[in-house]
Amino acid sequence: GIQVEQSPPDLILQEGANSTLRCNFSDSVNNLQWFHQNPWGQLINLFYIPSGTKQNGRLSATTVATERYSLLYISSSQTTDSGVYFCAPNTGGFKTIFGAGTRLFVKA
Amino acid sequence: DTAVSQTPKYLVTQMGNDKSIKCEQNLGHDTMYWYKQDSKKFLKIMFSYNNKELIINETVPNRFSPKSPDKAHLNLHINSLELGDSAVYFCASSLLGGSQETQYFGPGTRLLVL
Repeated sequence: GIQVEQSPPDLILQEGANSTLRCNFSDSVNNLQWFHQNPWGQLINLFYIPSGTKQNGRLSATTVATERYSLLYISSSQTTDSGVYFCAPNTGGFKTIFGAGTRLFVKA
Repeated sequence: DTAVSQTPKYLVTQMGNDKSIKCEQNLGHDTMYWYKQDSKKFLKIMFSYNNKELIINETVPNRFSPKSPDKAHLNLHINSLELGDSAVYFCASSLLGGSQETQYFGPGTRLLVL
């Protein structure tokens, strides 16, 4: 099955800093989602991005499917951005595979 | 209105007991899922249902039995609970299922087996 690798595993930012989270995957994908799990455990879908670039406020994501990676950009980070960010590709069918996540802590 | 809801939010029980977790979505979606998140935050799919039919059973022990009475509900029954079943269980749904859809997650059920 597809292997998903997220980096870095842990990240500490000062409020206001920018950062890039990376997701590498081992197989071609039909779909890729980015999720944020907040400190209370809620999983929120950030992007559905099988290819190309999307932006939503301070967040943007880029997937280069041919090179098997996706990037999540966080600009002007805020303490509310803290939590775990998951990359979740789907190679077809009803099975979505989650990466191990990047644990982000934003300091005030 | 909550899009995907789960009950209970917390469940503490003894080894060997049987318990159920309920999930409901009011999004009109056709596909529902159960995921398990362990203590290290690894998320793994357990089951996928599309139009009440089981599509994926991801090598889950048969002590776990999902039931979908209609498209809006997917319940999870667990028999003979074991310590290793302690985890957070998430229900999710998507419009049509397959690889083309965004998934929406419930708040999770935190299960602790003593």
